[in-house]
Formats: sequence, C-alpha cells, structure tokens
Amino acid sequence: DQQVKQNSPSLSVQEGRISILNCDYTNSMFDYFLWYKKYPAEGPTFLISISSIKDKNEDGRFTVFLNKSAKHLSLHIVPSQPGDSAVYFCAHSQGGSEKLVFGKGTKLTVNP
Amino acid sequence: GAGVSQTPSNKVTEKGKYVELRCDPISGHTALYWYRQSLGQGPEFLIYFQGTGAADDSGLPNDRFFAVRPEGSVSTLKIQRTERGDSAVYLCASSARTGRMAGELFFGEGSRLTVL
Repeated sequence: DQQVKQNSPSLSVQEGRISILNCDYTNSMFDYFLWYKKYPAEGPTFLISISSIKDKNEDGRFTVFLNKSAKHLSLHIVPSQPGDSAVYFCAHSQGGSEKLVFGKGTKLTVNP
Repeated sequence: GAGVSQTPSNKVTEKGKYVELRCDPISGHTALYWYRQSLGQGPEFLIYFQGTGAADDSGLPNDRFFAVRPEGSVSTLKIQRTERGDSAVYLCASSARTGRMAGELFFGEGSRLTVL
C-alpha cells in the first residue's frame, strides 16, 4: 500500500529566503512524484514533477530533489515570495498509475 | 470558462438523502478523476475515467458511491443514503494524458458537501 508522508503541517519563511518542503514515501517501484499547490477555496494546481529515473528537476524558482535511497522528496522554493503562501501537497504515482496518493499537505507562510 | 467546472460549489443535505455532484472537464480531456478531501487531509482518490468507462474505481469507499460519464465528457458523482462521514470537499480533475504515466491534473474548485 502506498504511503506518502508530509511530517511538517506548517512552515514559516521570510520573503527572499529559501523554503524547503519535505515528503517521504514507502514504495519504490518505478514511480512518479508531483507537487501541487492549493490556495483557500481553490482546487490544487500542478507545480512540478519528477520521475524516479531522475534526481532533480528544476523550473524557475522551484526545484524538486529525489533521494531514492532515503525515499525522500523535497521541494525548494528560492527566493520565496508572499504569493507562494499556500498549502503544498506532494503526490505519488506508483508504477505510473493514474491513481495519485497525496500527502496531508504543508501550509507555507511567506512573511513580507 | 476554460477550466474544470464543478457544481454545486456548496451542498448541505440531511443524513440519508441522495446527492449528485457534477463535473464539467476541460474540453478535449479524455481522462477524468474524482477525489475527496476531508478536513486536514490531502485529496483521496475515488475513481478515474478514461473516456466513458471507469478505468479504476478502487477508491470508492462503498456501494453508496457511484459515478458516471455517459458521453465521455461531463461526469456525475452520485452518493446514496448520505452519512455525516461523507462530509468533505469533492474534487474533480481532468487530464489530456492517455497513457499510464500520471501527469498534470487540472482540478476544479470542488463541491463542498455537508451532511447534517
């Protein structure tokens, strides 16, 4: 059974600094990982993804790192901006399945 | 609009009643998903359609839940004999992907269901 854990329910960062959001997973078949961002009263929006054949994927201010030996995923946002304040979910697709398993989310607050 | 549209945005019902939630996906998207998000939790997979057929309904919690997509576009999630534990935000998403690889899902704003 897939499990995705985001152990930090919240994170507060100063504007301009780096935000690091973490996620742990249990299964290690060929996998695909995604990060979604959610503002209040809106649906989640896709942010960035990475397949298990890679260690890193970068898109502008957002970089996702995958540590397969530790079964750990992290999202780095640098520099952080107040508009980045949202709940961030990591999601896991086992074996490329269309079924995504989401973590509980981490609420990021970027203070001006 | 160009995004995923869900109606109603809010639904309050009494225990035991029947509820229908509608999803209008992005035009041309063949894949459609229903997820449920309870307070303090991440979205939980319910069912996935590829075209008109339910390709994976393993997330439906019990036989009170049913979903259809008769013409391969609009989908309706149906909940019979609602229970207080069904209270959640029901999220619909669509995707243009047709392969096995999960990719970017486009979510609607959700339908908040409250069962009294």
